[in-house]
Amino acid sequence: QKEVEQDPGPLSVPEGAIVSLNCTYSNSAFQYFMWYRQYSRKGPELLMYTYSSGNKEDGRFTAQVDKSSKYISLFIRDSQPSDSATYLCAMRHDDYKLSFGAGTTVTVRA
Amino acid sequence: DVKVTQSSRYLVKRTGEKVFLECVQDMDHENMFWYRQDPGLGLRLIYFSYDVKMKEKGDIPEGYSVSREKKERFSLILESASTNQTSMYLCASREGPSTHFGNGTRLTVT
Repeated sequence: QKEVEQDPGPLSVPEGAIVSLNCTYSNSAFQYFMWYRQYSRKGPELLMYTYSSGNKEDGRFTAQVDKSSKYISLFIRDSQPSDSATYLCAMRHDDYKLSFGAGTTVTVRA
Repeated sequence: DVKVTQSSRYLVKRTGEKVFLECVQDMDHENMFWYRQDPGLGLRLIYFSYDVKMKEKGDIPEGYSVSREKKERFSLILESASTNQTSMYLCASREGPSTHFGNGTRLTVT
């Protein structure tokens, strides 16, 4: 079993829809939770960062962490074609190693 | 803005060749990382370094080595390239919660 499981997608939604992305994990020691966005032929860029459980909002993006269920989510409201990308969840428990999900490819149709 | 620069976007090498992938960061970060990214597997950590001349194995170090002679530069070496090392290679640097990635080197071994 992988340490981090991510819904594989792909996901295709109309412009303006809410995009919901999820990851589950098995290592209860994870304390730091991140979402990265990766455009085609580019490196991942950090979107959201959360420490421990709770919600965090940044503009159209909301990240949720439920440590009791070992489940994290990213919601994108009012999705735009420019949100079309691969989204990667990532998490870590120490100072160094990030564990990544396999990524979900999202297409927002104009 | 943090900049992580990988010297090559695309490389084609033959089986058995020694391959050098170079990475430079401009923010004086202590921690640097090499990942490979494969479809369905996400990002997997090959090696990381937390200081000059210091290195630690990640999850998949076999067939790779690294060099960090200067703080800003972290090199990945494939001692004898094999076809199963065909992949996207991503370099990253980190200070605090944010890990910053380069745009990747797509290596094909024939």
